[in-house]
Amino acid sequence: GAVVSQHPSWVICKSGTSVKIECRSLDFQATTMFWYRQFPKQSLMLMATSNEGSKATYEQGVEKDKFLINHASLTLSTLTVTSAHPEDSSFYICSAPGTGIQPQHFGDGTRLSIL
Amino acid sequence: GEDVEQSLFLSVREGDSSVINCTYTDSSSTYLYWYKQEPGAGLQLLTYIFSNMDMKQDQRLTVLLNKKDKHLSLRIADTQTGDSAIYFCAEREAAGNKLTFGGGTRVLVKP
Repeated sequence: GAVVSQHPSWVICKSGTSVKIECRSLDFQATTMFWYRQFPKQSLMLMATSNEGSKATYEQGVEKDKFLINHASLTLSTLTVTSAHPEDSSFYICSAPGTGIQPQHFGDGTRLSIL
Repeated sequence: GEDVEQSLFLSVREGDSSVINCTYTDSSSTYLYWYKQEPGAGLQLLTYIFSNMDMKQDQRLTVLLNKKDKHLSLRIADTQTGDSAIYFCAEREAAGNKLTFGGGTRVLVKP
């Protein structure tokens, strides 16, 4: 079945570093992808929708310059957390639209820890 | 706007039934879903129900939908320790693939 691969699964880095998270659709193409942020013991909050070949659509309150999203090909979307700080530590999940009754295919998530 | 709410926590003994409740606000949603999230992992689609259905059963899972009250529930029969996880209900927008998630219910199954 359709699979979304997210990498890395866990990253720890120093404050001020920029971190890139990749989201790949395997065996299918995705013109859009969704990026979520999940704080501990909380729900998934949609951050933005990436669009292949054009600008991402950000949800209200999400800093565009802080969370850079690029969707350069039909199988790859990336989220870069720029100049990350401890408050950016979170679990980030990407997904790609599904078909039929399956609305989205989710990656396994990336745990980001900023020291 | 859209808002989906769930109770935060449920503790259940192994072998008993679990019932997780969810309320939603978007009456135009076509599908409602239940997802399971294990620690440090992504979301696994458990089951779904179409908005014109009242009930759907899939092995140990039973979904009930009260469209009038915008209330959705998931019943897990014969709950096992492997069922310990966070369960999210989600409503799908009327046209498209966007989902709005509830806050999640943490289910703890005690042996």
